[in-house]
Amino acid sequence: ETGVTQSPTHLIKTRGQQVTLRCSSQSGHNTVSWYQQALGQGPQFIFQYYREEENGRGNFPPRFSGLQFPNYSSELNVNALELDDSALYLCASSWGGARTNYGYTFGSGTRLTVV
Amino acid sequence: QQQVKQSPQSLIVQKGGISIINCAYENTAFDYFPWYQQFPGKGPALLIAIRPDVSEKKEGRFTISFNKSAKQFSLHIMDSQPGDSATYFCAASIQGGSEKLVFGKGTKLTVNP
Repeated sequence: ETGVTQSPTHLIKTRGQQVTLRCSSQSGHNTVSWYQQALGQGPQFIFQYYREEENGRGNFPPRFSGLQFPNYSSELNVNALELDDSALYLCASSWGGARTNYGYTFGSGTRLTVV
Repeated sequence: QQQVKQSPQSLIVQKGGISIINCAYENTAFDYFPWYQQFPGKGPALLIAIRPDVSEKKEGRFTISFNKSAKQFSLHIMDSQPGDSATYFCAASIQGGSEKLVFGKGTKLTVNP
């Protein structure tokens, strides 16, 4: 059984640029959630994808967008990067969509630095 | 408004001691309360979780105590070990709801040998 895999592990971007982060869900999981973890803070919910559709969104602007693919993998896209977007971005997979807000398996994250 | 408040921010315990981390929540609709452990450079890993129909759950050295009337829950780590040194997060969510996992700000635990 494979866990959640995220790529890249680290990257540095310039303010105003766009970035795409990728996530492969754990085998058997069909739901992917994305979280932003600022330094010294708890993770904050960005959005969740289930059956390739957005299934809940946190308090993040529209420049944060995502996709889920038929194989349940997912992408997080952030446009017009701001310095405050610097954070660890975590992907979590689970099974069952909104009916089961538990059983999350987190990846190790992508550390994004915006300069 | 912070929906899940966690304390203390940091905690230092001697090996063999008891570590206690507390959380309080606002939303009475929350019905799932997990604790996550996070090591540097890693994502959070589920440690133990409880639902509001029980007041206590124990798994090995880890125990969750839950007080529904006070809207509080806590993690107790018995016989704390240096390998337990990590950041611990409490969280809450609603089954079948749009409220996904809401995390506390975390507690950095250091267990001295």
